[in-house]
Amino acid sequence: NAGVTQTPKFQVLKTGQSMTLQCAQDMNHNSMYWYRQDPGMGLRLIYYSASEGTTDKGEVPNGYNVSRLNKREFSLRLESAAPSQTSVYFCASFDSGGSREQFFGPGTRLTVL
Amino acid sequence: QKEVEQNSGPLSVPEGAIASLNCTYSDRGSQSFFWYRQYSGKSPELIMSIYSNGDKEDGRFTAQLNKASQYVSLLIRDSQPSDSATYLCAVNQGGKLIFGQGTELSVKP
Repeated sequence: NAGVTQTPKFQVLKTGQSMTLQCAQDMNHNSMYWYRQDPGMGLRLIYYSASEGTTDKGEVPNGYNVSRLNKREFSLRLESAAPSQTSVYFCASFDSGGSREQFFGPGTRLTVL
Repeated sequence: QKEVEQNSGPLSVPEGAIASLNCTYSDRGSQSFFWYRQYSGKSPELIMSIYSNGDKEDGRFTAQLNKASQYVSLLIRDSQPSDSATYLCAVNQGGKLIFGQGTELSVKP
């Protein structure tokens, strides 16, 4: 039982490049989330998916797209990376039926030059 | 006004003292409240959840909720250097967890 996994752990991009951050959970949770964390800003919600086949915008969705590929996987895509997207990105899944706890992945540290 | 607000700190307390962390939120309809601890370079981990007005105790941690004042707090008794971390308050709003900016706690030996 790996919990929530994210790939890659680190990434450096040049301005204008694109990339996809991958996230998977093996806990059979319906809800999954993408956050970014910047110094002094806490965690800000980018997009979330309440269930397979649905996605909704969070607080800071501009410049990002998401895909809920199936119940396990939720990916985040940067189509044209900007230096303002330099951040640590966390994926999380939510146990709505049991502990009501949100479980986080280990994070992806992204730098855009 | 940010939806969930915390004092960013840093908050410094001596070992063995009580650390008090505070959080206010703007959405009166919120029903679920959480405290996460985050060590530097790591992902957040849940330490307390609270859903009803009053106090909830778990070991050295006590969460307090006052929905009328839209206020939730976390007390850490007998603080240890290993408690030094950033503490994040989170509020469930319509199925989304909204986080405060976090309070950095430093426990000095």
